[in-house]
Amino acid sequence: DAKTTQPPSMDCAEGRAANLPCNHSTISGNEYVYWYRQIHSQGPQYIIHGLKNNETNEMASLIITEDRKSSTLILPHATLRDTAVYYCIVRPNNFGNEKLTFGTGTRLTIIP
Amino acid sequence: KAGVTQTPRYLIKTRGQQVTLSCSPISGHRSVSWYQQTPGQGLQFLFEYFSETQRNKGNFPGRFSGRQFSNSRSEMNVSTLELGDSALYLCASSWTGGSGEQYFGPGTRLTVT
Repeated sequence: DAKTTQPPSMDCAEGRAANLPCNHSTISGNEYVYWYRQIHSQGPQYIIHGLKNNETNEMASLIITEDRKSSTLILPHATLRDTAVYYCIVRPNNFGNEKLTFGTGTRLTIIP
Repeated sequence: KAGVTQTPRYLIKTRGQQVTLSCSPISGHRSVSWYQQTPGQGLQFLFEYFSETQRNKGNFPGRFSGRQFSNSRSEMNVSTLELGDSALYLCASSWTGGSGEQYFGPGTRLTVT
């Protein structure tokens, strides 16, 4: 699985958009970008994933650059409940491959 | 639809003992994966079961084992506990397998004294 690089921590004001970057310069053509988050002492929560097109769901938007070497997770109107560690994971979608390789993630703190 | 459940939520054991943790996946999910989370090593993949067969395995010693039942429920066992096994053990389930979209339970917090 491709390696990812994320800033260790970020702050964002409540109500503003939180933009979390992820670098994955060695991504392969068949690898997807996944985002998970983990609120303190809970299990990780799936947020969104994409291959090359931008994706949006009820939780967030995922913007992947055209060369696919980096991406940004956007939480449009951050709330205090969005304070968590956010993990960017790059992996292929192969039947039989369930392993998620978590890095150290970005600790996002939403400031009131 | 009910989420992934794990029992027990908290456990205290003594070095040398063994422990069994249980995970019930989301209804209809056939794949169950287990992860260990520690402050030093972060989240690490232990193994994954699909249709009662271990399909993937992480880099953990043989003291860590698991199984899956016909109803997709899974158990993991750690024998001869060591202090370093103190961790949050998480299980995750998915439906088709391989999609990367997994749903995690709340975890079992194991403390070894």
